[in-house]
Amino acid sequence: AAGVIQSPRHLIKEKRETATLKCYPIPRHDTVYWYQQGPGQDPQFLISFYEKMQSDKGSIPDRFSAQQFSDYHSELNMSSLELGDSALYFCASSLGQGPYEQYFGPGTRLTVT
Amino acid sequence: GENVEQHPSTLSVQEGDSAVIKCTYSDSASNYFPWYKQELGKRPQLIIDIRSNVGEKKDQRIAVTLNKTAKHFSLHITETQPEDSAVYFCAASINYKLSFGAGTTVTVRA
Repeated sequence: AAGVIQSPRHLIKEKRETATLKCYPIPRHDTVYWYQQGPGQDPQFLISFYEKMQSDKGSIPDRFSAQQFSDYHSELNMSSLELGDSALYFCASSLGQGPYEQYFGPGTRLTVT
Repeated sequence: GENVEQHPSTLSVQEGDSAVIKCTYSDSASNYFPWYKQELGKRPQLIIDIRSNVGEKKDQRIAVTLNKTAKHFSLHITETQPEDSAVYFCAASINYKLSFGAGTTVTVRA
């Protein structure tokens, strides 16, 4: 079965640079979530979209923005990168609005030097 | 917001024994409780979930129980195998975002 696709899988950036992470949900899934996971920590919710509209917002820095496109893929844009932004960034998708099963992608490992 | 506490943080069991992980949540409006298994550097993998209108759910060697009155839920793994070694996260959800517990590192000794 098709899974969530994330690109790139690894990304190395310098401080103050920008980064764009992409997420392609499972086919027919209309809801996308972004999570950030630091080393040894649990995933922290950043933001979610349902039918191309922001549905919920968590601890996402103002330097970050995201959107969901007409084909349901999503992009997380990160600017003025800081060392503390180094983490695994996961995208998850689900079918429908509400408490439905969320399936995670393989993640993007971002390293800021 | 929702606060999820998870215990224990580490758990070592002999192969074939059972493992139990417990979580509590703070927001009585939470209505969905999934459990994820995560191996080092890999994605969280949904292994079982339970909704607020159900008290117990079982899938082969894993089971989850929910006590809404006490606001706690538990994961039970029976007949543990070495491949069960991983970090397990509980989570609670109100409609959209998942609030995760801090995780339990489970080690199954052969």
